[in-house]
Amino acid sequence: DAGVIQSPRHEVTEMGQEVTLRCKPISGHNSLFWYRQTMMRGLELLIYFNNNVPIDDSGMPEDRFSAKMPNASFSTLKIQPSEPRDSAVYFCASSRSGGGETQYFGPGTRLLVL
Amino acid sequence: EDKVVQSPLSLVVHEGDTVTLNCSYEVTNFRSLLWYKQEKKAPTFLFMLTSSGIEKKSGRLSSILDKKELFSILNITATQTGDSAVYLCAVGSRAGNTPLVFGKGTRLSVIA
Repeated sequence: DAGVIQSPRHEVTEMGQEVTLRCKPISGHNSLFWYRQTMMRGLELLIYFNNNVPIDDSGMPEDRFSAKMPNASFSTLKIQPSEPRDSAVYFCASSRSGGGETQYFGPGTRLLVL
Repeated sequence: EDKVVQSPLSLVVHEGDTVTLNCSYEVTNFRSLLWYKQEKKAPTFLFMLTSSGIEKKSGRLSSILDKKELFSILNITATQTGDSAVYLCAVGSRAGNTPLVFGKGTRLSVIA
């Protein structure tokens, strides 16, 4: 079975540009999570969806960040405009349900904003 | 607020040593505690514990949960350099659709 798929794997962009990260969860999983990881702050939950509906976006840093899940097999995380402090590894994870179930992580997107 | 605290933050040991990593938690309506290993890429799942006192084991790794004292330990025996990683602990709640809450991790370095 394919795991969680993320693209791109690496992204280098200039400050002010729009960045779109993509995620395909494991088939049959109803919950999808976006995380950001940095050395300073560790793994932070940004937003999660259950059955394509955003449940909690309190971790989204500010209005420059937005996430969508138009269907059960695809989600995007967009940063517009990007800033150097957004540089991090962004992980997408999925689970069968949101209630404490095992989450399986994608390989991550390493973002560098110059 | 749900909370997960891991200790130590980092640890350096020699090959062959045994290590114990700690995870304490506070969570509303506990459901599960999970351990992940993260090397240079994404966290990979190790164990899920839901019942107190039952040891989960996989090779040289084992973990146990104490629901009364609200903690778990992850043991690694006969450590190898390939065990070097960040080990993350996370807890899950039965309360609605709440996601896992992760600790900051323990960075383990095993030197030859």
